[in-house]
Amino acid sequence: DVKVTQSSRYLVKRTGEKVFLECVQDMDHENMFWYRQDPGLGLRLIYFSYDVKMKEKGDIPEGYSVSREKKERFSLILESASTNQTSMYLCASRGTGRFHFNYGYTFGSGTRLTVV
Amino acid sequence: DAKTTQPPSMDCAEGRAANLPCNHSTISGNEYVYWYRQIHSQGPQYIIHGLKNNETNEMASLIITEDRKSSTLILPHATLRDTAVYYCIVKAAGNKLTFGGGTRVLVKP
Repeated sequence: DVKVTQSSRYLVKRTGEKVFLECVQDMDHENMFWYRQDPGLGLRLIYFSYDVKMKEKGDIPEGYSVSREKKERFSLILESASTNQTSMYLCASRGTGRFHFNYGYTFGSGTRLTVV
Repeated sequence: DAKTTQPPSMDCAEGRAANLPCNHSTISGNEYVYWYRQIHSQGPQYIIHGLKNNETNEMASLIITEDRKSSTLILPHATLRDTAVYYCIVKAAGNKLTFGGGTRVLVKP
């Protein structure tokens, strides 16, 4: 089974701190995604990457950056954490081509970040 | 990508089939219907997808109307563990995934 692993399940950080959220997938997927999920707003796409060193802004990239130095790892960076970035962060990966399971996304278990 | 409309919630009896409707009247010819679910405190889980033919896998069946303007996800024998929010998403194969409100399904014993 494809596995997407997020490094932390719960995280508490202070306002102004630089925060790194790590995500690793083990199925050689080209595409990786970072979402945040908030009550009433559903999942919103922050950034995505379709190859090593490639990144694209999603719907709400402000205040975030990403890094994809290796195919299996996609990092989300909060340059200066703020309280409105308190949220559940979800990483996902997806292969391309007919050989990958029906183009389905595989999600990690999420990181619940609280910024105080 | 086409917009979808789902009921906000529904209850289902354990052991019975759960039929989850989704309307997508503006669907385009190259757009697929995807279903995901999210169990509390977990990431979303892919269930099934289809283009125009009905599909079945080990988790569920997907019935798409002939005009493709609506679909139904069927969980054949709902269990308590199927309690989750179910998302119907319509998108072209290469486009990004966008989640709406979904249907909160409560399976009751």
